[in-house]
Amino acid sequence: GEDVEQSLFLSVREGDSSVINCTYTDSSSTYLYWYKQEPGAGLQLLTYIFSNMDMKQDQRLTVLLNKKDKHLSLRIADTQTGDSAIYFCAEVSNSGYSTLTFGKGTMLLVSP
Amino acid sequence: DSGVTQTPKHLITATGQRVTLRCSPRSGDLSVYWYQQSLDQGLQFLIQYYNGEERAKGNILERFSAQQFPDLHSELNLSSLELGDSALYFCASSTRGAETQYFGPGTRLLVL
Repeated sequence: GEDVEQSLFLSVREGDSSVINCTYTDSSSTYLYWYKQEPGAGLQLLTYIFSNMDMKQDQRLTVLLNKKDKHLSLRIADTQTGDSAIYFCAEVSNSGYSTLTFGKGTMLLVSP
Repeated sequence: DSGVTQTPKHLITATGQRVTLRCSPRSGDLSVYWYQQSLDQGLQFLIQYYNGEERAKGNILERFSAQQFPDLHSELNLSSLELGDSALYFCASSTRGAETQYFGPGTRLLVL
């Protein structure tokens, strides 16, 4: 079955880099996503990576994918207080109709 | 703003009642997904529609049903409500059903 795991909490200081980790189990996943949820808000798509890529960079965000270990990470450079939110990793499997399976989310707290 | 709209934003009702949540996908998107977010279960996929037809089913209770109309908006019907149905219900849409999903702001349901 599919299961996505994330650590629950990460605390960093403003200006530091944040690294949020995720492991997944479905080796047939075609896309892996990172979504951000601010308090009381919906899910905002941050970035995604296709399964044949190892790395994707988008401004302050860097996604690393290790397919052998089924490990995905999101690095946020120069973390700001506005980055405080819950970050969800999600996988899309190819074995069905591309529904998303989410991790429980990592709460990122950025202190000044 | 993702372009996906959901109404109402908040809903308070009593056990045993029935409610309808509404979602309008992004312009041009044919596929609509419903997710439930609760503290204990996290984000769970409920059901997907593509161009009016049910395409995939997740952990959706028999008391819940959904449909997608010819104008592509979708409704999620929740009946015989229980306290445990209190959650955030998200709708997402994608172009054809195998691409990136964009989420609406959610409907927060409170069952008293």
